[in-house]
Amino acid sequence: ETGVTQTPRHLVMGMTNKKSLKCEQHLGHNAMYWYKQSAKKPLELMFVYNFKEQTENNSVPSRFSPECPNSSHLFLHLHTLQPEDSALYLCASSQLGTGANYGYTFGSGTRLTVV
Amino acid sequence: GENVEQHPSTLSVQEGDSAVIKCTYSDSASNYFPWYKQELGKGPQLIIDIRSNVGEKKDQRIAVTLNKTAKHFSLHITETQPEDSAVYFCAARAAGNKLTFGGGTRVLVKP
Repeated sequence: ETGVTQTPRHLVMGMTNKKSLKCEQHLGHNAMYWYKQSAKKPLELMFVYNFKEQTENNSVPSRFSPECPNSSHLFLHLHTLQPEDSALYLCASSQLGTGANYGYTFGSGTRLTVV
Repeated sequence: GENVEQHPSTLSVQEGDSAVIKCTYSDSASNYFPWYKQELGKGPQLIIDIRSNVGEKKDQRIAVTLNKTAKHFSLHITETQPEDSAVYFCAARAAGNKLTFGGGTRVLVKP
């Protein structure tokens, strides 16, 4: 596996369900991100993790709960979602540090539908 | 915080013509400007980037220009081909490692 891998690719869940999205990066990066992509807001930052520590929560509702057990893995735990949460959820990673390439590498995303 | 505006939101060009997408940013401290291409069913992919100490960068048919004084940067695609059809995003990095993205441009290359 190379790059950033997201699973599952598609997810349909009811409003009372609990599910988790998984992201794994194989690039040796030390920062990871969750983005929400919808027609209204094309690339909306949700969470930032630097060296496994959460450094930003962009006013995301508590029904979204991130977890970063190590610098290679990132999860997004979902519970009691609303239909408006239906979107493409993208994970990205990058390398921090002086002289580092600041570019993000994105995964292919999880297409979430809340019914 | 940083704000990035991107125009146009949609762009239709004839195959072989050039395409230009423009972005403006608000934070004069921004020093890194990447461009991403997103094809259907995929995540955004980095296609070219430029740092604030450079005015122009080219990679085959794509080029990016940066005007720090005016705080705008542009993506130029020459000799467009059908496989260039996608959504393109510009971004700017100011403090820390956070990128702020523009709203995206949907490019359609007509054969």
